[in-house]
Amino acid sequence: DAGVIQSPRHEVTEMGQEVTLRCKPISGHDYLFWYRQTMMRGLELLIYFNNNVPIDDSGMPEDRFSAKMPNASFSTLKIQPSEPRDSAVYFCASSLGQNSPLHFGNGTRLTVT
Amino acid sequence: AQSVAQPEDQVNVAEGNPLTVKCTYSVSGNPYLFWYVQYPNRGLQFLLKYITGDNLVKGSYGFEAEFNKSQTSFHLKKPSALVSDSALYFCAVRGRLGTYKYIFGTGTRLKVLA
Repeated sequence: DAGVIQSPRHEVTEMGQEVTLRCKPISGHDYLFWYRQTMMRGLELLIYFNNNVPIDDSGMPEDRFSAKMPNASFSTLKIQPSEPRDSAVYFCASSLGQNSPLHFGNGTRLTVT
Repeated sequence: AQSVAQPEDQVNVAEGNPLTVKCTYSVSGNPYLFWYVQYPNRGLQFLLKYITGDNLVKGSYGFEAEFNKSQTSFHLKKPSALVSDSALYFCAVRGRLGTYKYIFGTGTRLKVLA
């Protein structure tokens, strides 16, 4: 079991550029979550999907953020345009069913200068 | 609204001593409760969960947690701490009704001193 795979591990970009973060969930898992972690706000849920369908995106901070899940094995989180305040560690997690725990990837550390 | 509180930013304990990391929660109805651990530059790893049944839950690496409904608490415990237990610990809650959203606490940094 390869676990949840996120890419890239680190991303450094300039303000105004588009950033795309990628996630491959564990095979067979039907829930996928995107979280953001910062020192100031801790872990924030941005959006989650069930069977590739977005269920709750109330945590997405602004229209600059968008997330897609075109199939069961791939999801993206896009920020366009990026701003310095978007600097954080972004985690993807997946789970199987509603009673099982979340399995997290190792995160993408985003730095926007 | 659901919420989780971890009142201690940091807990220091000597190796071999028992440890407790505190968590209280607020949620409508009976909750699902979880503990996760995070090591540097890694994602969160699942330790244990309470869904129903016995109030004392045993998990990975010798950790356990006690669900106390009257005090709305779910404290993490271990009888004998190891230096390798030093990490960031997160409590999380999910309600049984409504959306499938985990709410995480702010985390408690555990330092086990040799």
